[in-house]
Amino acid sequence: NAGVMQNPRHLVRRRGQEARLRCSPMKGHSHVYWYRQLPEEGLKFMVYLQKENIIDESGMPKERFSAEFPKEGPSILRIQQVVRGDSAAYFCASSPVGDPYNEQFFGPGTRLTVL
Amino acid sequence: GQQVMQIPQYQHVQEGEDFTTYCNSSTTLSNIQWYKQRPGGHPVFLIQLVKSGEVKKQKRLTFQFGEAKKNSSLHITATQTTDVGTYFCAGPRSSNQFYFGTGTSLTVIP
Repeated sequence: NAGVMQNPRHLVRRRGQEARLRCSPMKGHSHVYWYRQLPEEGLKFMVYLQKENIIDESGMPKERFSAEFPKEGPSILRIQQVVRGDSAAYFCASSPVGDPYNEQFFGPGTRLTVL
Repeated sequence: GQQVMQIPQYQHVQEGEDFTTYCNSSTTLSNIQWYKQRPGGHPVFLIQLVKSGEVKKQKRLTFQFGEAKKNSSLHITATQTTDVGTYFCAGPRSSNQFYFGTGTSLTVIP
């Protein structure tokens, strides 16, 4: 049973370009969470999605950031017009049920570098 | 809003010494989870505590949930180099998401 998959593992973008990060949850998991981690810092919640629904996006910046989890295919975190401050590790996690008593399974992360 | 604070932020220990990290919440938690992240890696679930005063052990790791369910601790006995990493606690922020603590980065000096 494959774990949570994220790609790309490393992504380099120039300022103003778009970054598209993908996350495939574990088989049987329909709940996906995205987190951002700056160097030497903790995990900051960004967004929580179920298939075709955004449940909670309170941690996501209002501008330039969007997320989706379509009926088919991976969850996508999209950052438009990237700036240097977007450089970070972006982790997604999945769980079988969306309640706080379930552990979250994390993917290996995407390290985004904005030049 | 609800916050989960961890102390210390960094800890350096000699191999064989003990290590403890503390997690404190401003509000009562229904449960708390602990994760470990190795350098360059991703967070991995360690354990979950649910009951007031609960204590759980995993080999050299001891996890405790406070009586008031507002704090928790992770204690490692006789650290080894394999214990290196950052330890995060996580408490529910709402009915469907977690608030991760700031983490404690552990360095073990051989």
